[in-house]
This record gives sequence, C-alpha cells and structure tokens, in this order.
Amino acid sequence: EVQLLESGGGLVQPGGSLRLSCAASGFTFRISAMYWVRQAPGKGLEWVSGIGGSNGDTYYADSVKGRLTTSRDNSKNTLYLQMNSLRDEDTAVYYCATRSTVGITKAFDIWGQGTMVTVSS
Amino acid sequence: QSALTQPASVSGSPGQSITISCTGTSSDIGGYNYVSWYQQHPGKAPKLMIYEVNNRPSGVSNRFSGSKSGNTASLTISGLQAEDEADYYCNSYTSNSTPYVFGTGTKVTVL
Repeated sequence: EVQLLESGGGLVQPGGSLRLSCAASGFTFRISAMYWVRQAPGKGLEWVSGIGGSNGDTYYADSVKGRLTTSRDNSKNTLYLQMNSLRDEDTAVYYCATRSTVGITKAFDIWGQGTMVTVSS
Repeated sequence: QSALTQPASVSGSPGQSITISCTGTSSDIGGYNYVSWYQQHPGKAPKLMIYEVNNRPSGVSNRFSGSKSGNTASLTISGLQAEDEADYYCNSYTSNSTPYVFGTGTKVTVL
C-alpha cells in the first residue's frame, strides 16, 4: 500500500525553527518528485515546495523562499521540510504529497494525513 | 503568484448537476493542460479527482468530469449525491517562479 506519514509538527514561537518529516512506503521513493502543501486553519490549500526525484532540484512558493528548505534522504525513504524564521502566518496543517501512478503528470494522487504546525508566543 | 479564482460556494439538489469554475491566466490554466481538481472532506486530506484537465484516476466516479476553455477550467459533478458535499480545489501548473498554484476553493452543498 502506498503511504505517506508526516511527523514533527507542534507549537513553536515566532522566529523559531521546526523540522517536519514525511516517511514514504509502497512506491519507489528515490525516483518520485515530492511536495509540501499547507492549509491554514479554515483556509484553502497552498502549494509550498517541491523536490525532484532523480535530480533533487527544489522549488518554493515565494511566501516561504529563504525560510523553508526541502530535502530528502532516499536511503531512508523520507522527505524533510526545515522551517526557520517561522511567522504567525506559517500556522497550518502541512501535507506531503506525491504522484505514484504511471500516467498521471503535474498532479498529486497520494497525500499524507498532515501534521499541524502552530506558530504562537 | 495569486491563487486561481473559484466561487466560494455552489449548491444543488440530489441528482442535479453542478459546475465549479476556476479562472486563472495565460501563465497557468491558459498555458498548460495541467489542471487538476481535489475533493476535501472536513478534517481529511485532499483527494485527486481530475488530472490533466479531464482525466479521472482509477476509482473516481464517472460523475466527475473536467474541461477547460481559455484561462478557465471547470469541474462538473453530475447526479449529485450527499457524499459529494465537500470542498473542491483546482490546481494548475504555471510558468511562474512558483510552479503550482491552487484555487481559492469552493464549498459544495447538497441541499
């Protein structure tokens, strides 16, 4: 079964740091592009970041560029999101996502259950 | 990169058809056939319903269909059922520095 499991969320003060993890199973992680999408309480979805499978190139939303860093450890089948200089507006549920079905392009067919990040003093 | 524009809410009676619009620009919807749609029930992760404008993943009901004209994409739900009550989001690949953008979201209510 294809599965994504996020962890690492919690309460952090403004200006603080947090690292999220996303453990993947059931598909060939090392060749799969991976993504982070977030959803602030009561708000819509926001694409945050992506990382290539084979080349490891990273991409970010303008709202997080320079503060959030996506990386991956293919030996552990795990995706990471290092979050620095956190702001109140970073408060959200963070989902990791990917596409595991051959033939589906530029869309996200597998999602984790999400992990909540709360930035507050 | 601004979010794609969707109506805040759409409603319909069981059995009816409804259509949700998603308006972007020539840099996103108008420039690529990479529009996808997601269904999200409260407290749950999003679920892919449509990809590449009008393709359904395996297991998604054929009551869901997608289309695109110019800078606007649409999701149509036919034979509306109670279980279709949820939030729906469009997404498009873009030529901007942020490669993907979601829509503002539409709450579908089954009357």
